[in-house]
Amino acid sequence: EAAVTQSPRNKVTVTGGNVTLSCRQTNSHNYMYWYRQDTGHGLRLIHYSYGAGNLQIGDVPDGYKATRTTQEDFFLLLELASPSQTSLYFCASSGGRVSNERLFFGHGTKLSVL
Amino acid sequence: AQKVTQTQTSISVMEKTTVTMDCVYETQDSSYFLFWYKQTASGEIVFLIRQDSYKKENATVGHYSLNFQKPKSSIGLIITATQIEDSAVYFCAMREGRGFASALTFGSGTKVIVLP
Repeated sequence: EAAVTQSPRNKVTVTGGNVTLSCRQTNSHNYMYWYRQDTGHGLRLIHYSYGAGNLQIGDVPDGYKATRTTQEDFFLLLELASPSQTSLYFCASSGGRVSNERLFFGHGTKLSVL
Repeated sequence: AQKVTQTQTSISVMEKTTVTMDCVYETQDSSYFLFWYKQTASGEIVFLIRQDSYKKENATVGHYSLNFQKPKSSIGLIITATQIEDSAVYFCAMREGRGFASALTFGSGTKVIVLP
C-alpha cells in the first residue's frame, strides 16, 4: 500500500501569515496532487505535478504556490494566508503510468487562518 | 471541462439493507474513468471501486457495485448488506482519458448514515 504522509496535521496561522504544507510519498509515484476539501464543494484540485521540478495548475490555484523538489516531496505554499483558505488539505499520489490508476491520499492537514 | 455532480447530500439507511447513491458526470471525451472513494469519520480517504467507460459490465468489488448508465452519464454506487462501518462520506470522481496529465475531478459527496 502506497504511503503518503502529510505534515503538519493541524496548523493555525493569522491573516497574512506564511504557511508551508508538506507531503511525502514513498511508493515512487510520478504524480502528486494537492486538494482542498470544503463543505458543499467536495475535493477541489489546487496544483499537481508529474515529476520533480514540474508544476501543473489545478482548478482553484489562486493564492497558492507549489513546488515539487524531488519525486517524493511536494509542498504547498500560502505566502499571504487569508481566512478563505481555512480548509482541510489533502495530498495524494498516483503512479501515472495508466489513466485508470487510483489516487492514494494522505491523512490531511487542517489549516485555520484567523 | 469535466464536471461531476452528486445531488444527494445525506442518506440514512437501516443496517443490513441496501443503499444507492447517484452521480452524474459531464465530459467531452469518449474515453474516461469513474471512481468512488470513501471518507471515514477519521477523515481517511480510500478508494473503493472503478468503472472504465469502455466496459459494458458493471464493476463489483465485495459488497460494492456500480450502476453504469452511459447514455445518461450516470454512475451510481450500490452498497448491499450495509454495516455500521459503512457510515461515511462517499465521493464520485472522474478522470478523462486523454493522457496521463489529467487529474481527478470530484463530486461534492454523499454522507451515508447506517442506523442500527
